[in-house]
Amino acid sequence: DAKTTQPTSMDCAEGRAANLPCNHSTISGNEYVYWYRQIHSQGPQYIIHGLKNNETNEMASLIITEDRKSSTLILPHATLRDTAVYYCIVRGLSTGNQFYFGTGTSLTVIP
Amino acid sequence: GAVVSQHPSWVICKSGTSVKIECRSLDFQATTMFWYRQFPKQSLMLMATSNEGSKATYEQGVEKDKFLINHASLTLSTLTVTSAHPEDSSFYICSARTNTGIKNIQYFGAGTRLSVL
Repeated sequence: DAKTTQPTSMDCAEGRAANLPCNHSTISGNEYVYWYRQIHSQGPQYIIHGLKNNETNEMASLIITEDRKSSTLILPHATLRDTAVYYCIVRGLSTGNQFYFGTGTSLTVIP
Repeated sequence: GAVVSQHPSWVICKSGTSVKIECRSLDFQATTMFWYRQFPKQSLMLMATSNEGSKATYEQGVEKDKFLINHASLTLSTLTVTSAHPEDSSFYICSARTNTGIKNIQYFGAGTRLSVL
């Protein structure tokens, strides 16, 4: 599976958009980009995933660059409850492929 | 999203005893389940992958005789930490995936915090 690189930490003002970047320059053509978050002492929560088109759901938007070497998770109106560690994971659709977690980005939403 | 239930959420045991952790998929059939371990201020580390009815596949460095995994049904997997020692104290998280519906999205349990005295 492709390796991902994320900033260690970020701050965001409450009510503003939080933009979390992820580099996955070695991604292959059949690998999806998944985003999860982990609030302190809880299990990871699925946010969104995509292949090459931008995606949006009730939680967030995912913007994937045309060359697919990087992506950005956007939380449109961050709240204090969005404070968490956000993980970007790249994985193919083969049923044998597992999720390997990197270090993620610790997002702190500031009042 | 789909719900994965993990039990217990917190367990304290004496050194040398065994502890069993249960992971259940409540509203879907999990053909594949995963077990992760997380130490304080670190990321999740995959321990093993199990498919229903077959033996688990362990990641390199994970002792299969110490961490016994059973995936006897499509909704239940168990992790038994045998002869637990203080260094096994950690946050254990299970995850489940289905091969129907939204494929390859893994859903995670809330985790089990194990403290070995």
